[in-house]
Amino acid sequence: EDQVTQSPEALRLQEGESSSLNCSYTVSGLRGLFWYRQDPGKGPEFLFTLYSAGEEKEKERLKATLTKKESFLHITAPKPEDSATYLCAVHEGKLIFGQGTTLQVKP
Amino acid sequence: DTGVSQDPRHKITKRGQNVTFRCDPISEHNRLYWYRQTLGQGPEFLTYFQNEAQLEKSRLLSDRFSAERPKGSFSTLEIQRTEQGDSAMYLCASSSTRRDINPEAFFGQGTRLTVV
Repeated sequence: EDQVTQSPEALRLQEGESSSLNCSYTVSGLRGLFWYRQDPGKGPEFLFTLYSAGEEKEKERLKATLTKKESFLHITAPKPEDSATYLCAVHEGKLIFGQGTTLQVKP
Repeated sequence: DTGVSQDPRHKITKRGQNVTFRCDPISEHNRLYWYRQTLGQGPEFLTYFQNEAQLEKSRLLSDRFSAERPKGSFSTLEIQRTEQGDSAMYLCASSSTRRDINPEAFFGQGTRLTVV
């Protein structure tokens, strides 16, 4: 069965303290891996798509990377406005989501 | 295009009542997805359509749930005889299978259902 697991479940950082979020997956044939950001009470907001091992995408303080079994979302020098839940999903026709990592960045 | 639109944004209903939610996808998107999300969890897949065809329905979806996309544009999700366990955020997303359009799915703001 296809599975997506994210870790940690929750992460507290001080402003400027860089860190990484992990997304491990087991799928029969990866058609793409997506990262989303979700603010409380809102729908997920698309961030990145990764297709093949070794691929990297960047947007402001965020960088997503992909290997054959996992993806990382690196957050460099985060700011309080980066506080949100970050979701990864694998594309198998439908999207299969992990449970998310809730990030809190304190000033 | 203003993105994926869901209506209503909030719904409070009594246990046992039927409710229906609507989703209007991005106009050039042929795929439409429904997800359910509870607090602290990732979105849980319910069903998805390509044009008007329902391609997959989650085994977790009971026979009280039904979704339609009659003309391949907007979709409705109906829950019959609601139970307190149905309280959740219901999310709709759309995407395209066209080669000239990026494949990522875009979400609406969701419908928050509370069953009392």
